[in-house]
Amino acid sequence: SSELTQPPSVSVSPGQTARITCSGDTLPKTNVYWFYWYQQKSGQAPVLVIHKDNNRPSGIPERFSGSTSGTVATLTISGAQVEDEGVYYCYSTVSSVIPRGMFGGGTMLTVL
Amino acid sequence: ELQLVESGGAVAQPGGSLRLSCAASGFPFDNYAMFWVRHTPGKGLEWVSLVNWDGSRTYYGDSVKGRFTISRDNSQNSLYLQMSSLRLEDTGLYYCAKDYGDSQYYYMDVWGTGTTVTVSS
Repeated sequence: SSELTQPPSVSVSPGQTARITCSGDTLPKTNVYWFYWYQQKSGQAPVLVIHKDNNRPSGIPERFSGSTSGTVATLTISGAQVEDEGVYYCYSTVSSVIPRGMFGGGTMLTVL
Repeated sequence: ELQLVESGGAVAQPGGSLRLSCAASGFPFDNYAMFWVRHTPGKGLEWVSLVNWDGSRTYYGDSVKGRFTISRDNSQNSLYLQMSSLRLEDTGLYYCAKDYGDSQYYYMDVWGTGTTVTVSS
């Protein structure tokens, strides 16, 4: 099982706010973790939508935002669109000294 | 346009070997660390391996350590993954991914479309 726990699925209607959590409760508290979010649509490669907790790469719509409290990260999609459907994975890493990263199990977002 | 194209995926027997390749273009390949990440039926996305910009430092996930070897040829803009002692659970879609380029933290920003590895007797 993954060290990062995500709900298997989240469902919202178009225009509603979708929130996907990623819990790293079992991670050692002595480290500082950054969280990242990837969107994977069916048959496509993952796309980075949030990096370092709450930063959007260029080209990612403003409706995507991230937040972190301790070892729990949340991806928020404000006013979700049908085209936002897909599987969302959280990812965490500690530092370049401890470069091994870890993924959450993924959350299937349905917008209908 | 930045592009990563994986190849080398095939059907292999348990205990066998495969070599995956990733051809990179559209960015200064020798400036960036590179990853292999896989998507397996049992675990979803799994971090497999990382190599720094010049190949001098390599890192592996626990499930592949001692069996897989990551390498790169900056003169050919290519990344490789030598896979040996293959197991059934190594079956999956293998992605090559580029590091974002943060000086302190390694994470993927651009991914290829993947190459499929099937381990079956």
